[in-house]
Amino acid sequence: GAVVSQHPSRVICKSGTSVKIECRSLDFQATTMFWYRQFPKQSLMLMATSNEGSKATYEQGVEKDKFLINHASLTLSTLTVTSAHPEDSSFYICSATTGEVMNTEAFFGQGTRLTVV
Amino acid sequence: AQTVTQSQPEMSVQEAETVTLSCTYDTSENNYYLFWYKQPPSRQMILVIRQEAYKQQNATENRFSVNFQKAAKSFSLKISDSQLGDTAMYFCAFMRRNAGNMLTFGGGTRLMVKP
Repeated sequence: GAVVSQHPSRVICKSGTSVKIECRSLDFQATTMFWYRQFPKQSLMLMATSNEGSKATYEQGVEKDKFLINHASLTLSTLTVTSAHPEDSSFYICSATTGEVMNTEAFFGQGTRLTVV
Repeated sequence: AQTVTQSQPEMSVQEAETVTLSCTYDTSENNYYLFWYKQPPSRQMILVIRQEAYKQQNATENRFSVNFQKAAKSFSLKISDSQLGDTAMYFCAFMRRNAGNMLTFGGGTRLMVKP
């Protein structure tokens, strides 16, 4: 299957700083990328959908100014957690898809464990 | 909006035995896909099996098979000959056709395979 690389795998940052998480599709063009947040022992909660070259669509309750998403190319999307606070500590996962009607598989990154101290 | 429900938060099974994980969903759509994903302790999401709603035949992938009941909106996963490596969180997921490949996940079932 296709490979999606997410970096970093874990990061610790100080409260008030910003953290950028990258999601790259290594061997295919990802028209659409999705960002999820996962709390311990819970399911994946969709935060936003990002399409290459356009603004991301955020789910209800997700602060777009707190979680900045950029999808500037067909192989890279970034999630920036701005002015991070301890409550932003979580596991963040990206997935990428070609967006083709007949290709429904979503490919997931390895996830990023963010700890804000 | 679609909802996906997994009614079993945790399950356990003895190695080599068979276990079935339940999933129900609610949708007004007629064209959609259903998936089971596995998330082992590494937390990497792995696709286990996929079912197209327009296909009546249940999908099978080696030891993994599904029981898809469209009218009942039920999509259970059967794992045969359970192995220790099957220990993981399992998520049922729904995808509407022609909707940008967005997945809606159930709450997950934690499966423990015991030696």
